[in-house]
Amino acid sequence: GQNIDQPTEMTATEGAIVQINCTYQTSGFNGLFWYQQHAGEAPTFLSYNVLDGLEEKGRFSSFLSRSKGYSYLLLKELQMKDSASYLCAVMDSNYQLIWGAGTKLIIKP
Amino acid sequence: GAVVSQHPSWVICKSGTSVKIECRSLDFQATTMFWYRQFPKQSLMLMATSNEGSKATYEQGVEKDKFLINHASLTLSTLTVTSAHPEDSSFYICSARDPVLRRQAQQETQYFGPGTRLLVL
Repeated sequence: GQNIDQPTEMTATEGAIVQINCTYQTSGFNGLFWYQQHAGEAPTFLSYNVLDGLEEKGRFSSFLSRSKGYSYLLLKELQMKDSASYLCAVMDSNYQLIWGAGTKLIIKP
Repeated sequence: GAVVSQHPSWVICKSGTSVKIECRSLDFQATTMFWYRQFPKQSLMLMATSNEGSKATYEQGVEKDKFLINHASLTLSTLTVTSAHPEDSSFYICSARDPVLRRQAQQETQYFGPGTRLLVL
């Protein structure tokens, strides 16, 4: 079967760095997405990786290793507004998105 | 990025009534839109893929006669929850892919509408 694994919840301190991991097993691979979802709101797109390596976008970076079926989202200089759920999703060979359950990130002052 | 809107943002209705939710792509034409449902503290669940000018493709376990999808134009898809019951209360979210971005950047990014919160009493 297809599955996406990511931690249920993480806690970090304002100003610090946090890494949210995602491992996947899917039938085919056409890219991995990270979305941010604040409570009660729809997801917003953060990043897309289809090749191995690190993609940096401001305070957020996303890494992909296709051979390991592994990705992480790195958040630097954490701000209180970064408190949200972070969803990892993989597009399989049929261009269907397989969603992880999301990681709830709690930022403490 | 591409902008997707949804209407209404929330709705409360009586059990047995039907509710229509609209999803619009505002600055691009979307041949394909997706409808998701999300229960509290759970991840997104794909309900169906809406294709302009043709029938929607429903995921396993989703009743196509209960959740009617119409994608009549390149910028509008509607989801109608027929004979709604309290267990249909959920957060319904649509998304769309921008075909221009898809061609240019080889990206399959889905852009989400703001969601519709449905409460059936």
